[in-house]
Amino acid sequence: DAKTTQPPSMDCAEGRAANLPCNHSTISGNEYVYWYRQIHSQGPQYIIHGLKNNETNEMASLIITEDRKSSTLILPHATLRDTAVYYCIVRVAEGSARQLTFGSGTQLTVLP
Amino acid sequence: EADIYQTPRYLVIGTGKKITLECSQTMGHDKMYWYQQDPGMELHLIHYSYGVNSTEKGDLSSESTVSRIRTEHFPLTLESARPSHTSQYLCASSDRDRGSFTGNTIYFGEGSWLTVV
Repeated sequence: DAKTTQPPSMDCAEGRAANLPCNHSTISGNEYVYWYRQIHSQGPQYIIHGLKNNETNEMASLIITEDRKSSTLILPHATLRDTAVYYCIVRVAEGSARQLTFGSGTQLTVLP
Repeated sequence: EADIYQTPRYLVIGTGKKITLECSQTMGHDKMYWYQQDPGMELHLIHYSYGVNSTEKGDLSSESTVSRIRTEHFPLTLESARPSHTSQYLCASSDRDRGSFTGNTIYFGEGSWLTVV
């Protein structure tokens, strides 16, 4: 699976949009971009995933560049409960569980 | 929300004790996984199963064992716990590829924190 690069930490004011970037310049054509987050002492929570097109669900939006070498996760109105480590992962749809490499992620801190 | 449950959430036990961490999912997923994660560190796959009576070891060597007698249940057992087993254990599951845009999403339970003293 392709490797991803994320900033180690970011701050965001409560109520503002949080934009979390991810670089995946070696992504293959059949690899999806997944986002998870992990709140301290809990299991990772699935947020969203996409292949080529931008995606939106009740939690977030995912913007993937046309060349697919980077993406941005957008939390439209961040709350204090969104403080967590956010992981960007690329993997094939039917990939082995071994390929779910979380890396170090981005620590997002939402400030009151 | 994922319907995958782990018990106990927190456990403190003495060295040499046998423990079983329970994991159940109500989504009918074929695939289930156990990961181990130390605080602030990456997840490491220790066991996985692609269906009933199927179990495989993951990337990280573990002295634990697993069983998959029922689709919804994937317990992890340590026959003789040691302080080196102190960690968070995360259970997860995913569906098989059904040709839709599910992308084989993996869903996690809330984790079981094990401390061996």
